This record gives sequence, C-alpha cells and structure tokens, in this order.
Amino acid sequence: EAQLLDSGGGLVLPGGSLRLSCGASGFTFSSYSMSWVRQAPGKGLEWVSGISGSGGRTYYADFVKGRFTISRDNSKNTVSLQMDTLRGEDTAVYYCAKGNDGFDVWGQGTMVIVSS
Amino acid sequence: QPVLTQSSSASASLGSSVRLTCTLSSGHSFYVIAWHQQQPGKAPRYLMKIENSGTYKRGSGVPDRFSGSSSGADRYLTISNLQSEDEADYYCETWDSVLWVFGGGTKLTVL
Repeated sequence: EAQLLDSGGGLVLPGGSLRLSCGASGFTFSSYSMSWVRQAPGKGLEWVSGISGSGGRTYYADFVKGRFTISRDNSKNTVSLQMDTLRGEDTAVYYCAKGNDGFDVWGQGTMVIVSS
Repeated sequence: QPVLTQSSSASASLGSSVRLTCTLSSGHSFYVIAWHQQQPGKAPRYLMKIENSGTYKRGSGVPDRFSGSSSGADRYLTISNLQSEDEADYYCETWDSVLWVFGGGTKLTVL
C-alpha cells in the first residue's frame, strides 16, 4: 500500500526558515511526480510546488517563487520543501502528495505556524 | 491556466443521492480532473479521476456509491445512498504541464 509520511512542521518567526520532509513507501518512488499542497486554517487546498520523478524539473506557484525550494532524493524515497523568508500567510497544514496526473496518495499533513 | 469552479455548499438526506459539480474554465473543457474528499480534521483522500468523455476510474478502496460523469466543461461526482461519513469537503483538481489547480471546494452536509 502506498503511503506518505510528512514531517518537519512547527512554529517559526516571520522571515525565518523551515524544512519539510516527506517519506514514501509502497510504490516506485522515482516513477512519480511529487507535490506539496497546503491548506490555511478554514480555507481550501492550494498547490504549492511540484517536482518530476527524476527531480530534473521543478514547478512553483507564483506566491512561493524565489522563497521555497523543492527537492527529492530517490535513493531515500524522500521529497523535501525548503521554506525561506516565511510570512504569516504561509501558516497552513502542508501535505505532500503523489501523482503525475491527479494526486492519488496524500500524506497526513504537517502544521506550519508563522508568528511572532 | 485552468480555473475550477465549485459551489460552496450542498446538502442531501441520509440514504439519498447528491451530485456535485466542478466546472472548468473557458478553453479548458477537455481537461481531466480528479475528485478528493476531506472529512473534518483529516487529510484529503483521492476518490477518482474523470475524463472529458465521462470515463472515470475510482481510487483503491473507494466504494461504488461514488461515481463520476462529464458534460461539456462540467465534471460531476455523484454519491448514492448517502451515509453520515460522506459529510465532508469535496475538492476537484486539474493540472497542466507546469502546475496543478484546485477548485474552492464544496461542503456537503448530510441531513
């Protein structure tokens, strides 16, 4: 059974940094794109960033370009999101999600709170 | 880029059926979409993918009470024999070569 396990969330000051990680199991990791999706409190789902199976192509929503960096290690079946220059509006639950065409597996989510 | 539009809320009685709609923006009516369910306090769960033709494929373990269809730019999720656990937020999702997009979500209340 395919599974994703998100980790790394926490409380961070505005302007600070945080690194999220997602461990995958139960599927051929390198064959699939992976993404990060977030959900602010009481709001809907919002795609943040994606990376191709090989890691050679990365994609970002406009609101995180230049601040967030996605990466993956196919030898360890992990995908990460380095978040820099964090803002209050980045406060959300962050989910990793598997899929090239439709997110068919989701992590359990990790909470990021940006506050002074 | 594509935009997905969903009604903010819907309601139906226990044991009845309900159809939720996701509408693709102009010029994107041929896109494939996916439906996800998010029960209160939980992570999203993948339900199915629906093609422009109306062909749909449910995810692993998704009950056959959940079905999909399509008409023009609209993609539908129909839930039959509504159960209390179907009360949740439902999101549609689509994608192109460089981004993924979600609809605003529909909150389904089971009466």
